[in-house]
Amino acid sequence: GENVEQHPSTLSVQEGDSAVIKCTYSDSASNYFPWYKQELGKRPQLIIDIRSNVGEKKDQRIAVTLNKTAKHFSLHITETQPEDSAVYFCAATSDTGRRALTFGSGTRLQVQP
Amino acid sequence: DTEVTQTPKHLVMGMTNKKSLKCEQHMGHRAMYWYKQKAKKPPELMFVYSYEKLSINESVPSRFSPECPNSSLLNLHLHALQPEDSALYLCASSQWLKLGYTFGSGTRLTVV
Repeated sequence: GENVEQHPSTLSVQEGDSAVIKCTYSDSASNYFPWYKQELGKRPQLIIDIRSNVGEKKDQRIAVTLNKTAKHFSLHITETQPEDSAVYFCAATSDTGRRALTFGSGTRLQVQP
Repeated sequence: DTEVTQTPKHLVMGMTNKKSLKCEQHMGHRAMYWYKQKAKKPPELMFVYSYEKLSINESVPSRFSPECPNSSLLNLHLHALQPEDSALYLCASSQWLKLGYTFGSGTRLTVV
């Protein structure tokens, strides 16, 4: 089955700096890659996703890049703000076969004011 | 309605109790999921239902019993749980072809 690895496990940045979180996946059939933000005690919320027919997607301060050949994808947050502090999970799945998300281990992002 | 509603929000149960977790969505999503999340860990898949049929059981112990009475409802029946089953239980739903999940706010379960 799919295996998703995520790095780093913790990330501390100063407000206004950029943050990058990286994930690799093992199943070449995976073609959907969402990112979730989970604040303490709350549900995971989808912040951005990308499909394998696209190399990059941007939504305001958040962008995701995908390298299918290397089987890795990354989340980029620019101009970080204290409210960006949370745990971020990457995930992967395919629209064939299991169709169930496999999550990375999570990155705890702390934005220092 | 763009939400997944889970009840109860908190549950404390003894090891001999029987309880049920409920999940409801009215977005027309035909895939529904149960995930278990321990503190500081990612969500871990338990069950997947597609079109009201169980399609994935991730070798979950039989003390957890899922049920999908209709396309809007998903239950998780609990019996004879262990303290290590204490966790946040998350329900999610998605359109079958679009894959993007909507998560419920979860039930925080404590087994004593």
